[in-house]
Amino acid sequence: NAGVMQNPRHLVRRRGQEARLRCSPMKGHSHVYWYRQLPEEGLKFMVYLQKENIIDESGMPKERFSAEFPKEGPSILRIQQVVRGDSAAYFCASSLKREASYNEQFFGPGTRLTVL
Amino acid sequence: GQNIDQPTEMTATEGAIVQINCTYQTSGFNGLFWYQQHAGEAPTFLSYNVLDGLEEKGRFSSFLSRSKGYSYLLLKELQMKDSASYLCAVMDSNYQLIWGAGTKLIIKP
Repeated sequence: NAGVMQNPRHLVRRRGQEARLRCSPMKGHSHVYWYRQLPEEGLKFMVYLQKENIIDESGMPKERFSAEFPKEGPSILRIQQVVRGDSAAYFCASSLKREASYNEQFFGPGTRLTVL
Repeated sequence: GQNIDQPTEMTATEGAIVQINCTYQTSGFNGLFWYQQHAGEAPTFLSYNVLDGLEEKGRFSSFLSRSKGYSYLLLKELQMKDSASYLCAVMDSNYQLIWGAGTKLIIKP
């Protein structure tokens, strides 16, 4: 039973390039969450998606960032025209359902983005 | 605004007991989670409290007081492998998880 998978694990980009991060949720999970974590800081919520729908993107910057979770395939977090401040670990989590009090989120190993 | 507070760093000795506190102010409450995160790795689930009281799971216990907006994680018989960050997170009325910055626990022999 594979857990949440993310790739790549490490990604290096130069300023102005695009970064594309992928997340495959646990089998049977249709809820996906993306978080950003800066060094020595806590997790910051970015976006919550269900299949083909963005439910809550209140934590995602309005410009350069986008996310999708297509009917087939992994969820994608896309960062256009990256800047040095985008360097961080990006974690994806998935859960069985959201509208419930007990809702454990399972985390992927993260993608560490470095912008040169 | 929503706020989760926990100490930035704590140090304890191998074999001892340590208590990591977490206070919160959120719009609504649908449970409190504790996660463990080793450096460079993903957070892993430790515990969930939604009712007041103590939940025990092996060497780890978690306590919740909703009226005080307070929780703690108790780690007993500390081992070197317990050196990690411990993240407190509260699920608000919109079922969104609000995360604390984490407490870095350093275990000394």
